[in-house]
Amino acid sequence: GEDVEQSLFLSVREGDSSVINCTYTDSSSTYLYWYKQEPGAGLQLLTYIFSNMDMKQDQRLTVLLNKKDKHLSLRIADTQTGDSAIYFCADRTGRRALTFGSGTRLQVQP
Amino acid sequence: ETGVTQSPTHLIKTRGQQVTLRCSSQSGHNTVSWYQQALGQGPQFIFQYYREEENGRGNFPPRFSGLQFPNYSSELNVNALELDDSALYLCASRISSGGTYEQYFGPGTRLTVT
Repeated sequence: GEDVEQSLFLSVREGDSSVINCTYTDSSSTYLYWYKQEPGAGLQLLTYIFSNMDMKQDQRLTVLLNKKDKHLSLRIADTQTGDSAIYFCADRTGRRALTFGSGTRLQVQP
Repeated sequence: ETGVTQSPTHLIKTRGQQVTLRCSSQSGHNTVSWYQQALGQGPQFIFQYYREEENGRGNFPPRFSGLQFPNYSSELNVNALELDDSALYLCASRISSGGTYEQYFGPGTRLTVT
């Protein structure tokens, strides 16, 4: 079945760039998403990318997609303490539901 | 602010009981999905409703059921609660037309089964 994998933890210093990586197995994935979850909260949609795109930039966020390797990354420039959270990548195929990874906990040190 | 609300925020139930969780979507969002997020894990898809009909289901038993209403609200019902049903339940809504692919989540209901 479909699988989405992420590394569990990333620690960066405030002001540095963060890169969160994700791999997926479904070659039919059409849209790929990044969500942010703060403690005790729901999921906040950060950005998404169509599978026919290589890159998408939105202010401090840059998404890179390597469809050949089924690899997705989220780069956060000038990381702030408020960026500390769990980040989930998810993929969608057609009209089906989202398949989520287990999440990457980003810790930003002052 | 996603425009998706859920109630209640927290709930404690006893094993074997039944529970109903509620979600209110943005106006015009004709598709609603429910997800279960166990502690330390990513959300798992339960089922999806489009125009009041279930049109997709994940690997969950029939004791998980749902309803979607014309006023963009929906319910998740769980019968015969088990300890493993303790989780954060998230609903998400979107528009299934017009090339819109954003899916917005509510804040979730934290269910504890004792």
